[in-house]
Amino acid sequence: GENVEQHPSTLSVQEGDSAVIKCTYSDSASNYFPWYKQELGKRPQLIIDIRSNVGEKKDQRIAVTLNKTAKHFSLHITETQPEDSAVYFCAARRLFSGGYNKLIFGAGTRLAVHP
Amino acid sequence: DVKVTQSSRYLVKRTGEKVFLECVQDMDHENMFWYRQDPGLGLRLIYFSYDVKMKEKGDIPEGYSVSREKKERFSLILESASTNQTSMYLCASSPRVGRLYNEQFFGPGTRLTVL
Repeated sequence: GENVEQHPSTLSVQEGDSAVIKCTYSDSASNYFPWYKQELGKRPQLIIDIRSNVGEKKDQRIAVTLNKTAKHFSLHITETQPEDSAVYFCAARRLFSGGYNKLIFGAGTRLAVHP
Repeated sequence: DVKVTQSSRYLVKRTGEKVFLECVQDMDHENMFWYRQDPGLGLRLIYFSYDVKMKEKGDIPEGYSVSREKKERFSLILESASTNQTSMYLCASSPRVGRLYNEQFFGPGTRLTVL
């Protein structure tokens, strides 16, 4: 069935270093790949997304890359700051006929950025 | 400003009780979702709805049912609560695919404890 695997489950970096989180998906019909950030005690919020017709997208310090052939996508955070500490979820969206859709989420990565 | 609200932040129930979790969104979104969030397992989809009175099973529907009588409201029902349903429950909504933005917006979550 549909599955999204996310690695690593925990990641610890020094402030200023880069962080990379990787996801693979199984459903070749997936066409949209969002990343959510969940700070402690708060709701998940979208930070960046990428569609299947694009290989890379960047927004200031964060970027996402997509390799459709390998069914693999990654989140890159450069110049990490303590406020980047959170749990990050990747997801893959599957479309159904009729226009509705659902997201399959990875298990999450807990990122800790140490000053 | 999109708002997804949930009826309770914290709920304590006893085994065997019938539990209702309510979710309301004010963005006229067609799609609504119920997830449960458990450590190490990410966000798992319980049920979703793409229109009033329509519902689809997600990945873990057993022990749950849902109701969507109005577009803005999506209810999750635990027919007979069990201890393994102790979890954080997150509601989300999104517009139908084809509109400009497809982001899922999450509610603040309900932490349910079943004793």
